Amino acid sequence: DTEVTQTPKHLVMGMTNKKSLKCEQHMGHRAMYWYKQKAKKPPELMFVYSYEKLSINESVPSRFSPECPNSSLLNLHLHALQPEDSALYLCASSQVAREFYNEQFFGPGTRLTVL
Amino acid sequence: GENVEQHPSTLSVQEGDSAVIKCTYSDSASNYFPWYKQELGKGPQLIIDIRSNVGEKKDQRIAVTLNKTAKHFSLHITETQPEDSAVYFCAVLNNDMRFGAGTRLTVKP
Repeated sequence: DTEVTQTPKHLVMGMTNKKSLKCEQHMGHRAMYWYKQKAKKPPELMFVYSYEKLSINESVPSRFSPECPNSSLLNLHLHALQPEDSALYLCASSQVAREFYNEQFFGPGTRLTVL
Repeated sequence: GENVEQHPSTLSVQEGDSAVIKCTYSDSASNYFPWYKQELGKGPQLIIDIRSNVGEKKDQRIAVTLNKTAKHFSLHITETQPEDSAVYFCAVLNNDMRFGAGTRLTVKP
C-alpha cells in the first residue's frame, strides 16, 4: 500500500465552525506533513511530525491545530478560520523526517472553502 | 533559508516535441532534488528524483540533470504526450522540502 488518503475531499465551513481534516498512511512511515497550497502556487509546509511528535511548526496561526494520534494518522483541527485560509490542504508522509533522499508521498488533498 | 527558482512558469509544446524545465537553488548543502507532477484536483506525484552525488538520471521519457557547481537542475521530457499536460514542481531538500513556483505544461495534440 503506497497511498496516502485524506478525508474529506471537499469541505465548506463558516468562520465560527470547528472542523477536522484527516490523513492516513499504512506505509510504515514515521514522518507526516501538512502543507497548504493556494491556487497556482506551490505547496507550503505547515507542520512536520516525526515519530508522532511535532518537530516543525512553520509559524502557523493557532487556529490550525495538528494532532498525530499514532504513526498512521494525522489530523488538522480547524477553528475560527478566515476566508484567506481557503486552499488545498495536502498531507504527505516519508520514511523519516529531515533525512537525505527522503521521498515524500502526497495525498490527494482536501479542498477547503471558508465562507 | 533555501530559495528555489523555477522557469518557465508556462510551457506549451506540440505533441512529440521535447520539454525542458529548469530550477536553481541557493544552498549548496541541499542534497535531494525531486520533481513532482500535479494534475488538476490531485496531489503532487513524484515522477523522478536525483541525489546530490549523481549528475543525471533517466526513466523512460523523463530525465533529470543536476549541476551541483552551478546549483541548478533540469527536467527533460521527450516525445511529449497530451497526458503529460500538468503543473510540474521542482523541489529541493535541505532539512525541509522547498518547492519551486511551478511550470504549467500544455501538450497540444
